[in-house]
This record gives sequence, structure tokens and C-alpha cells, in this order.
Amino acid sequence: AQRVTQPEKLLSVFKGAPVELKCNYSYSGSPELFWYVQYSRQRLQLLLRHISRESIKGFTADLNKGETSFHLKKPFAQEEDSAMYYCALKGSWDSGYALNFGKGTSLLVTP
Amino acid sequence: DVKVTQSSRYLVKRTGEKVFLECVQDMDHENMFWYRQDPGLGLRLIYFSYDVKMKEKGDIPEGYSVSREKKERFSLILESASTNQTSMYLCASSSTSLPRWTDTQYFGPGTRLTVL
Repeated sequence: AQRVTQPEKLLSVFKGAPVELKCNYSYSGSPELFWYVQYSRQRLQLLLRHISRESIKGFTADLNKGETSFHLKKPFAQEEDSAMYYCALKGSWDSGYALNFGKGTSLLVTP
Repeated sequence: DVKVTQSSRYLVKRTGEKVFLECVQDMDHENMFWYRQDPGLGLRLIYFSYDVKMKEKGDIPEGYSVSREKKERFSLILESASTNQTSMYLCASSSTSLPRWTDTQYFGPGTRLTVL
């Protein structure tokens, strides 16, 4: 079964502090994982994908197959990072490659 | 620029009404999806379509149906709206012909449906 778990509903950090949003997954095949972000009153948008090994807005995420994790990290949080973050696992062809989303983590960065 | 549009941002309907939510994408994408987004539950897949006139059930299809008569348009239908269908509905599209490192789903702005 495909499952994505985000254990924290809410994460509050101070500006300038490091932040880590946790994501664990279960998948029998080779996973393709994504982080999506939704800022207030904006549409859901892709933040980064593991296959690209990219860093977007200072965020990085490393796929750890041994721990089945794909945690999102940023060394110095900014107030504009406050948003809802979703970890997502791409499904197989028989699901139309639909995304399986975690329940989301609301990140609040306070001054 | 990639565009997925949804017919309404806000919609208020009464219990028992038939409700149509429309989604249009201009990227010639093969795949289209309907999700509902609820606080504490994340996004859950209702239906998806991988081609014109093709449709497949997602995780929570009960009470919903869909229609895809043209490649760019994917409609979600609530045959008889109920209060537990009050939610944010998100449409998305994706292509299966893009390289994996550029692959993503593009989302519409959402329709917040309230059923009274």
C-alpha cells in the first residue's frame, strides 16, 4: 500500500532558526517524491522533487530509502516561508500517476 | 505559462442539488485529476482521467461522478449534494510525455463548495 505520513500538523519556529518538516512513506517500488507548498490564498504549487536534487527557496530534501523518509529542510527560516506544506508520493500507472498526499504540515515562522 | 482554471472560486448549494464543477487546462495534458482538500486530512483523490472519455475512481469516489468529453476539460459532478461534501475541491493536470525531472501536477486555484 502507498502511504505518506507527515507526523506534525503544526510546526512553529522563529525567524532564522533551522526548520525540518518530516515525511515518511511506504511504497513497494522505486518512489518518486515531491514537496508541494500552499501559501495563504494561493494555489498549491510544486516546491521540489527528489529526482531533480534541487534547492528551491533555500529548501532541500533528501530521499533516504533506508529510513523511507523525505524530510524537507531549510537552515534559516524566513517569515515568508509560513505556509502549508504537503509531501506527496507519485502513484503507479494504474492510478494515472496520481499523487498520494500526506495530511500536511502548517509551518509558522514568527519574528 | 501553465494554466489550470476552475469555473468558480466559491459556490453555495443546498442539500440535494446537482452540482457541476468545471476544470480547464491549456497545456494539452493527458491526465486530469479531482481532489478534495480538508483540514487535517490533506488531499484525497476523487477521480482521475488519463484520456478523453476515460475515467477511473480514486480513493473516495462515492457521491461523485466525472465527465471528460474534451481533452482540456474535466468536470466533477455531485449528483445530489450533501453537507459532508462541503470542502475545497482542487483540479490538477499532468503529462506523461515529459521527462521525469520536469514531471509535476499543476493545480487549479480550487473551488470552495458549501452545501447547506
